[in-house]
Amino acid sequence: NAGVTQTPKFQVLKTGQSMTLQCAQDMNHEYMSWYRQDPGMGLRLIHYSVGAGITDQGEVPNGYNVSRSTTEDFPLRLLSAAPSQTSVYFCASSSTGALSWEQYFGPGTRLTVT
Amino acid sequence: SQELEQSPQSLIVQEGKNLTINCTSSKTLYGLYWYKQKYGEGLIFLMMLQKGGEEKSHEKITAKLDEKKQQSSLHITASQPSHAGIYLCGAPKANKFYFGSGTKLNVKP
Repeated sequence: NAGVTQTPKFQVLKTGQSMTLQCAQDMNHEYMSWYRQDPGMGLRLIHYSVGAGITDQGEVPNGYNVSRSTTEDFPLRLLSAAPSQTSVYFCASSSTGALSWEQYFGPGTRLTVT
Repeated sequence: SQELEQSPQSLIVQEGKNLTINCTSSKTLYGLYWYKQKYGEGLIFLMMLQKGGEEKSHEKITAKLDEKKQQSSLHITASQPSHAGIYLCGAPKANKFYFGSGTKLNVKP
């Protein structure tokens, strides 16, 4: 099993550009989520999904969109990149979400917006 | 939101020394999770605590949950360079998960 994979590993964007961060898992997990990690602030939840076709907002959803058309994939879209979105982004999955929060994390995408 | 405060923010210890990291919640805890992040990598699940007074150990790492104080502690015995990284506590609320700000640990050989 590959676990949780994320692409790309690094990305530089100019202000106003859009892009999609890819996330996939091969563990048949229902719950998937996106976090951003900024210095001194731990990880903050952006969006999450409890299953295919169901998504909801986390703590910091503004400027981001998600969709969940399959169990395996959970892409994160930046609509119009801003310097405040410079961060490290992590995708995670877990088998039952609210019942057990043993989450599996991807290696992260380091995004810089200039 | 579920606010979690960790202390200390960073820690440098000599190899072989013991250390403790604390995680305090502003609200009632319905479970407390510890994760470790090696520098530049994703998070790895360490332990889950769900009951007041619960204590769990894995190798040289022990975690305790005190629900009355809404606090958890992570204790490392005889630290090694492999323990270096960022330790984060986290807690669920509804379908969301909240992390503390993390504690950076460096272990000097």
